[in-house]
Amino acid sequence: KNEVEQSPQNLTAQEGEFITINCSYSVGISALHWLQQHPGGGIVSLFMLSSGKKKHGRLIATINIQEKHSSLHITASHPRDSAVYICAVWPGNQFYFGTGTSLTVIP
Amino acid sequence: SQTIHQWPATLVQPVGSPLSLECTVEGTSNPNLYWYRQAAGRGLQLLFYSVGIGQISSEVPQNLSASRPQDRQFILSSKKLLLSDSGFYLCAGTFRGGPYEQYFGPGTRLTVT
Repeated sequence: KNEVEQSPQNLTAQEGEFITINCSYSVGISALHWLQQHPGGGIVSLFMLSSGKKKHGRLIATINIQEKHSSLHITASHPRDSAVYICAVWPGNQFYFGTGTSLTVIP
Repeated sequence: SQTIHQWPATLVQPVGSPLSLECTVEGTSNPNLYWYRQAAGRGLQLLFYSVGIGQISSEVPQNLSASRPQDRQFILSSKKLLLSDSGFYLCAGTFRGGPYEQYFGPGTRLTVT
């Protein structure tokens, strides 16, 4: 049983489309992270959330603590957004990670 | 600000060779540090965590070991690599400045040939 589930596993979009990636978790948490991993590259932290909503440029992350659910949105998607997006939660003792969503944005 | 450094970024090693991956922390002290591994097609799994110098807890028995020789240094090692050790290794940390002090290193991609 995975503590963190992400959907979809794979996503292909046309440039300019609005994208949503979902993360559901089964444990009580104090923080949730969205991470980005480019092909062959390292991890980059995009957001840390404990409640509500955060926005950085074209990226928006939301979290609903009661429903144990978070979403990452990308507006006006671009080919450079192609990467694996990973949800990670912190219940207080260790991080639990989703398996990632592989996003490909086609020009 | 706090930063976690990892090196090397990529590594190709033959089967049976030793391994040493280093994680260092900048900008704070007394962090809890974690080593995770991501095998192909799977999520990141906890390997080791450390709450202080010389204190290591192992989550999954494997061909690897970890050490914490200094407060800001966390090392992942192997005496003899196996093909199954290939994967992406991530160092993460939590800093005791509050509940929001959590950081990730960039990771190391290891290929065992």
